[in-house]
Amino acid sequence: GESVGLHLPTLSVQEGDNSIINCAYSNSASDYFIWYKQESGKGPQFIIDIRSNMDKRQGQRVTVLLNKTVKHLSLQIAATQPGDSAVYFCAETLNTGNQFYFGTGTSLTVIP
Amino acid sequence: ETGVTQTPRHLVMGMTNKKSLKCEQHLGHNAMYWYKQSAKKPLELMFVYSLEERVENNSVPSRFSPECPNSSHLFLHLHTLQPEDSALYLCASSQDWGANTEAFFGQGTRLTVV
Repeated sequence: GESVGLHLPTLSVQEGDNSIINCAYSNSASDYFIWYKQESGKGPQFIIDIRSNMDKRQGQRVTVLLNKTVKHLSLQIAATQPGDSAVYFCAETLNTGNQFYFGTGTSLTVIP
Repeated sequence: ETGVTQTPRHLVMGMTNKKSLKCEQHLGHNAMYWYKQSAKKPLELMFVYSLEERVENNSVPSRFSPECPNSSHLFLHLHTLQPEDSALYLCASSQDWGANTEAFFGQGTRLTVV
């Protein structure tokens, strides 16, 4: 199977600071990546995606960076808010099928 | 609200019971999925349906039996489960299988097998 892992299982940040959540993937053929946010008692919620022909993509307060050379993905959250506290998953897919391979997740805690 | 609704939200069942999980999507998607989420483990893909046909079955025990009567509904029938089957079961849908688009998840059913 695929190996999608996260460097840190937990992350605590001060409210208002920027957060960076990292993810490593193992298959260089992966061509589509997604970040999901999962709050307690809820299902994963789509945050942002990026395709392998891009290095960077920005959304509202979030930026995803893709470094294909080292097979690394990161999610940056600007001005982190208490509502950002959740578990964040990265997921990758190959260019065949839509089977997502998920990491175990990073738990982000925002300190007021 | 993601457009994917799962019922029930919580389920406690004995090992000899038979129960079913239901998923409904209102997004007009053609692909639907069942995932299992256990503590401290990555989401595990169980089944994939595309246009009501099963396209993936990831070595799931036969005590889990999926059913997709139409492209909007997906069921997971459960019988003679084991305590280790206790987990959060997530349903998801995407526009198409193989299109590399995001999957939308339901809230999940928290299953406890006693």
